[in-house]
Amino acid sequence: GAVVSQHPSRVICKSGTSVKIECRSLDFQATTMFWYRQFPKKSLMLMATSNEGSKATYEQGVEKDKFLINHASLTLSTLTVTSAHPEDSSFYICSADGTQETQYFGPGTRLLVL
Amino acid sequence: AQSVTQLGSHVSVSEGALVLLRCNYSSSVPPYLFWYVQYPNQGLQLLLKYTTGATLVKGINGFEAEFKKSETSFHLTKPSAHMSDAAEYFCAFAPGNTPLVFGKGTRLSVIA
Repeated sequence: GAVVSQHPSRVICKSGTSVKIECRSLDFQATTMFWYRQFPKKSLMLMATSNEGSKATYEQGVEKDKFLINHASLTLSTLTVTSAHPEDSSFYICSADGTQETQYFGPGTRLLVL
Repeated sequence: AQSVTQLGSHVSVSEGALVLLRCNYSSSVPPYLFWYVQYPNQGLQLLLKYTTGATLVKGINGFEAEFKKSETSFHLTKPSAHMSDAAEYFCAFAPGNTPLVFGKGTRLSVIA
């Protein structure tokens, strides 16, 4: 139980294009999902908290117009990187909130912007 | 301020030796505590967690951790390291109704 999937697992795009990453909780409902960014050999940096049916809460320094988050249902949250640039290349990981404050993580999406 | 400190960004042990990864937290409220493992190019997998009750918690892959409130610690141990244990390990805690606070991670290397 408590499986979270992400799609795609890897994406390469041209600079200036937009990329959408999906995060799904497969066997449970998640009112809250989280989006993280991880740089090489670094810890996770929380980007935003996504709540079903309401606007996401972004961490300080994260551009909400660049990283669009939509949490349309209790099993799906999407992160869209708009007008991507090479500096947006990173490993993006989502998690879904389970019981007792436990977060279940997706396998991550590797984004490379050329 | 609420924080998690993992002592040692890199720990190296011999195969079969004891694994000890240290984690200390700072919180003004009783925390929920977690250890996650991350293999290369993968997401995080929950190893174990402490919520309430027994302070010694057992997780997957033979790992366990003990919550010591007096020491504000939640160190992760495994009696005998295996090559497959080589990975990045993250300690985290949930200080109430806020997102998880992560440590910076400890990379475990296992030497044959």
